[in-house]
Amino acid sequence: AQTVTQSQPEMSVQEAETVTLSCTYDTSESDYYLFWYKQPPSRQMILVIRQEAYKQQNATENRFSVNFQKAAKSFSLKISDSQLGDAAMYFCAYRTGANSKLTFGKGITLSVRP
Amino acid sequence: DSGVTQTPKHLITATGQRVTLRCSPRSGDLSVYWYQQSLDQGLQFLIQYYNGEERAKGNILERFSAQQFPDLHSELNLSSLELGDSALYFCASSVTSGGLQETQYFGPGTRLLVL
Repeated sequence: AQTVTQSQPEMSVQEAETVTLSCTYDTSESDYYLFWYKQPPSRQMILVIRQEAYKQQNATENRFSVNFQKAAKSFSLKISDSQLGDAAMYFCAYRTGANSKLTFGKGITLSVRP
Repeated sequence: DSGVTQTPKHLITATGQRVTLRCSPRSGDLSVYWYQQSLDQGLQFLIQYYNGEERAKGNILERFSAQQFPDLHSELNLSSLELGDSALYFCASSVTSGGLQETQYFGPGTRLLVL
């Protein structure tokens, strides 16, 4: 069974600094996709970034980028120039190429200090 | 705003009751997914429908059922409710089912409280 592990329950970052959120996953599949979702206090689930396993290049979306290490099954999210609005819970998620079901990690709560 | 709508936003009911949660997917999306978010279980996939047909099933209790209608909206029915069913229920939608382009967009959720 596929599992997604987020071992850090909480992290804190100073405004304008950079923070990295860790995620590891376990799978025997070769075709899969990885995602980071953000859940602010409003509880809405917002897609932050996605990565296709077959792509070697790390995905980037503005201030958000990932470090995808396929051999190590690691998928970390880097937030640059952190802003107060980045404070939220962040979930790492996985799905296979054929199966649409998303498997989520337990999430990490990120706080941003002004 | 993801374009996925869910009603109601909040629901308070008693044990043993039955409730129906409704979801309207984004325009053009054929797949609808239901997820449950609770403190002890985290975010769990319940069930997926694609163009009216059940496509995948996750950790969905037998007391729960869902369907997708011809207009593509979906309903999740929860019956014989227990205290442990209190959770945030999300609906998500995507254009396809699996494959390269499939990305799920989530609705705002329905918060269910069973007393």
